[in-house]
Amino acid sequence: GAVVSQHPSRVICKSGTSVKIECRSLDFQATTMFWYRQFPKQSLMLMATSNEGSKATYEQGVEKDKFLINHASLTLSTLTVTSAHPEDSSFYICSARTGNSPLHFGNGTRLTVT
Amino acid sequence: RKEVEQDPGPFNVPEGATVAFNCTYSNSASQSFFWYRQDCRKEPKLLMSVYSSGNEDGRFTAQLNRASQYISLLIRDSKLSDSATYLCVVNGVNAGKSTFGDGTTLTVKP
Repeated sequence: GAVVSQHPSRVICKSGTSVKIECRSLDFQATTMFWYRQFPKQSLMLMATSNEGSKATYEQGVEKDKFLINHASLTLSTLTVTSAHPEDSSFYICSARTGNSPLHFGNGTRLTVT
Repeated sequence: RKEVEQDPGPFNVPEGATVAFNCTYSNSASQSFFWYRQDCRKEPKLLMSVYSSGNEDGRFTAQLNRASQYISLLIRDSKLSDSATYLCVVNGVNAGKSTFGDGTTLTVKP
């Protein structure tokens, strides 16, 4: 149980375009979802916390207008990287949980901006 | 001071060795604790939850010391497949934010 599906797993896009990443909890209702970014050989960096039906809470230094998060239902959150640039190339991972349960992670999205 | 701090790595051990990782947390009101492992270029996967009474899963033993605010992970009889980065995760009060340590890298060598 507790499966989180993230899509797409890999995306290559041109500079200036926007990319949407979906995160779905398949067999449980996720009251909270989290979005992370990880650069090679670095630790996970929390970008934002998303609670269903409310605005996301962004970590310091993360631009909310660039990284749009929508958590419209208890099973779906989306992250849109707007006007992507090469420095946005990274591994983006979502996680989801219910209450104080363990986090369950999506399998990540590797974004390359050319 | 970071909210969650882990042993700096890397740990390089021979097969069969016993290795222990520690993780300290700063918020005494933290409610739940977990160990995850992350393989290179993959997402973290839950290894085990950590309970006050301590818990064991095969070769892995996790312990929580609330008084000293640390959790530990002990791996016995290390296998090559245990090579990974191990992350401790602490959940805040009232299902608050999950905070990660930076991870400890383990390499088990033949």
